[in-house]
Amino acid sequence: SQQGEEDPQALSIQEGENATMNCSYKTSINNLQWYRQNSGRGLVHLILIRSNEREKHSGRLRVTLDTSKKSSSLLITASRAADTASYFCAPGSGSARQLTFGSGTQLTVLP
Amino acid sequence: GAVVSQHPSRVICKSGTSVKIECRSLDFQATTMFWYRQFPKQSLMLMATSNEGSKATYEQGVEKDKFLINHASLTLSTLTVTSAHPEDSSFYICSAVSLRGASTTDTQYFGPGTRLTVL
Repeated sequence: SQQGEEDPQALSIQEGENATMNCSYKTSINNLQWYRQNSGRGLVHLILIRSNEREKHSGRLRVTLDTSKKSSSLLITASRAADTASYFCAPGSGSARQLTFGSGTQLTVLP
Repeated sequence: GAVVSQHPSRVICKSGTSVKIECRSLDFQATTMFWYRQFPKQSLMLMATSNEGSKATYEQGVEKDKFLINHASLTLSTLTVTSAHPEDSSFYICSAVSLRGASTTDTQYFGPGTRLTVL
């Protein structure tokens, strides 16, 4: 599996604002997943976007995928303090089921 | 649905002892489970892939004799840290992939993690 690289490393915004984080990867993929990790907890699956999809929504989350640029973005609209967490992307490719995680984006939403 | 539990959530042990961590898929069967470790403020590092009924596949640099993995059933995998030392102190997280999945698009469901502290 390949590692996605999240950008920025850290992001601090006010409650109610939108948060955008990006993910880049290097080789072709079948899908890309986004996960959230609250401090000291396991990862929570947020959304999966397949390589033939360009955009996907889930509640306040919007994920885009640009396979030509090998990048994805995660947009959280109307952020809340509870959205404070680390966010990781995980590109999926080949037959391997392993996921490799980058350093993540640490999002802080200030009340 | 798709809940994964880990037990214990926290464990403190003396150097030289062995610690067993359980990972269970509560409402689904998992052919494959993964074990990760995470140091403070760092990302998850895959340690090994555990397939039910077969030997685990370890990532490069992970000592298989130190981190024993057993995947005896479709709902349980265990990680035993043998002869633990302070440098083994870390956050250990497991994940599971549902039996129903047959493609590489399967979602991994993560446990809540186990905080191991070796004194």
